[in-house]
Amino acid sequence: DAGVIQSPRHEVTEMGQEVTLRCKPISGHNSLFWYRQTMMRGLELLIYFNNNVPIDDSGMPEDRFSAKMPNASFSTLKIQPSEPRDSAVYFCASTPSSNQPQHFGDGTRLSIL
Amino acid sequence: SQKIEQNSEALNIQEGKTATLTCNYTNYSPAYLQWYRQDPGRGPVFLLLIRENEKEKRKERLKVTFDTTLKQSLFHITASQPADSATYLCGTAGGSYIPTFGRGTSLIVHP
Repeated sequence: DAGVIQSPRHEVTEMGQEVTLRCKPISGHNSLFWYRQTMMRGLELLIYFNNNVPIDDSGMPEDRFSAKMPNASFSTLKIQPSEPRDSAVYFCASTPSSNQPQHFGDGTRLSIL
Repeated sequence: SQKIEQNSEALNIQEGKTATLTCNYTNYSPAYLQWYRQDPGRGPVFLLLIRENEKEKRKERLKVTFDTTLKQSLFHITASQPADSATYLCGTAGGSYIPTFGRGTSLIVHP
């Protein structure tokens, strides 16, 4: 079975540019999560969706970050404009319901120069 | 808000020994605690989930405990192997709680 698919795997861009990260959750999973992982802060939840509806976005750092889930099989995380401090690995995860284990993608390693 | 604390220092052990990793939470008792394994360049992979009313859970060489008095979960790997070397993450889950993860503990099993 295909797991959670994230693209791109790596992204290097200059500060000020718009960055779009993509995620395809596992089919049939109703909850989708976006995380950011850094050495300093570990794995931090940015936002999560339930049945395509954003439930909690309190982890989104600031207005430069936005996330959408237009349908059950696709989500995006956008950063505009990007800054060097946004450099991190961004993970997407999905789960059949919030009380079940999460399935993670292999992440997007983002470097903002 | 909930905070999950894991030992930031790497745990080095010899092959064949039991590895024990610690996870402490600071506030309310979560409905569940879950443990994940993460290899370099990969996403976390789920290992075990233990509920608040369970004291212990086992899966092959893995064992997890949940002590609500100590606000602690222990994760054990018996008969450890070099292939068990990875970073292990502890996190909360379930209900309306926002998922929260610790920073992970690196385990290194020496042959």
